Amino acid sequence: KQEVTQIPAALSVPEGENLVLNCSFTDSAIYNLQWFRQDPGKGLTSLLLIQSSQREQTSGRLNASLDKSSGRSTLYIAASQPGDSATYLCAVIGETSGSRLTFGEGTQLTVNP
Amino acid sequence: DVKVTQSSRYLVKRTGEKVFLECVQDMDHENMFWYRQDPGLGLRLIYFSYDVKMKEKGDIPEGYSVSREKKERFSLILESASTNQTSMYLCASSFMDRRNYGYTFGSGTRLTVV
Repeated sequence: KQEVTQIPAALSVPEGENLVLNCSFTDSAIYNLQWFRQDPGKGLTSLLLIQSSQREQTSGRLNASLDKSSGRSTLYIAASQPGDSATYLCAVIGETSGSRLTFGEGTQLTVNP
Repeated sequence: DVKVTQSSRYLVKRTGEKVFLECVQDMDHENMFWYRQDPGLGLRLIYFSYDVKMKEKGDIPEGYSVSREKKERFSLILESASTNQTSMYLCASSFMDRRNYGYTFGSGTRLTVV
């Protein structure tokens, strides 16, 4: 059974800092990995989708990498801003899981002005 | 802009009521999903559908049913609402092509059962 772990569970940084969020998964047979952002009381907003054949994806100040063989992904946020404060979730679609997403527990990020 | 729309942001219902949560997507996605999200428990899959009139149980289907009469619409039904169904409910959709496409989520419905 696929398990997804995110470290750290919470992170507090000063504005302007570059930071890395980590995601690991136990079964490397995945189709893709998706990073989401969730603001308090809101739904999930997709940030980046990395297909299993890709190594990384970039969108603005965000860069996500994928090392499928080692079961790891990182989300790099450059020059963090208070508006980046949110919970960040990673999720994978496994090759044997049908269309189900398996989620990590999330990293709660606070960027202090 | 592509969207998954959940009909209500907040709902308050009484114990024993029949509750309908509606979700509509405009992306021609084959798959649609209902999750609930609770502190400390993360996101848990209730039901999903991969085609009109088709449904599959997720991890926690007890106390819920679903309906998918049209491709764009997926309804979650609480047959007799109970206080332990107080939660954030999230609808999502995706293409059947799992390799190349991800999920799109709605903005959520915060349901309180009193």
